[in-house]
Amino acid sequence: EAGVAQSPRYKIIEKRQSVAFWCNPISGHATLYWYQQILGQGPKLLIQFQNNGVVDDSQLPKDRFSAERLKGVDSTLKIQPAKLEDSAVYLCASRTPGGYNEQFFGPGTRLTVL
Amino acid sequence: AQSVTQPDIHITVSEGASLELRCNYSYGATPYLFWYVQSPGQGLQLLLKYFSGDTLVQGIKGFEAEFKRSQSSFNLRKPSVHWSDAAEYFCAVGAGRGAQKLVFGQGTRLTINP
Repeated sequence: EAGVAQSPRYKIIEKRQSVAFWCNPISGHATLYWYQQILGQGPKLLIQFQNNGVVDDSQLPKDRFSAERLKGVDSTLKIQPAKLEDSAVYLCASRTPGGYNEQFFGPGTRLTVL
Repeated sequence: AQSVTQPDIHITVSEGASLELRCNYSYGATPYLFWYVQSPGQGLQLLLKYFSGDTLVQGIKGFEAEFKRSQSSFNLRKPSVHWSDAAEYFCAVGAGRGAQKLVFGQGTRLTINP
């Protein structure tokens, strides 16, 4: 079974530029999550999708971050404009249907904002 | 609100020695608890989970964890560590409706001395 795919793996941009990350979850997983992991911290949930609808985006900085999952499969997270404090690893995860919230994580995208 | 505390930021043990990583949680009801491991440049891999039943949970790679409600703890243990166990370890609690969100601790970095 293929895992959660993310691209790119690394991205370096200047502040005020825009950037986009892509995620393809495990086949059949209706729930998809984006997390932000700042160096030295645990992952923090940014947004949760159920199919193509948003379940929770309470911790997404909506003035600069946006995310979509138009066809209920893959998802894109965008930052525009980026700030220095956005430097982090952005993790995508998907969840097994039903049951007990076992989430599977992708390898992440490491973003450096200069 | 749910929260997780991992009191040890960094632990060093010798190869072959036993290991215990501490985790304390704050949650009103019976928690869903998880331990994840993150190797450098990798996503998070689930080691084990607790939902109900037997309070001693076995996981992959020889790890186990014990849920102690009276102490609000879910400590991770391994009787004999291997050099390949060097990684970052995260404890998490399921939160929100249906425990669909994960709230992570800040992580414990494990270093193995040869």
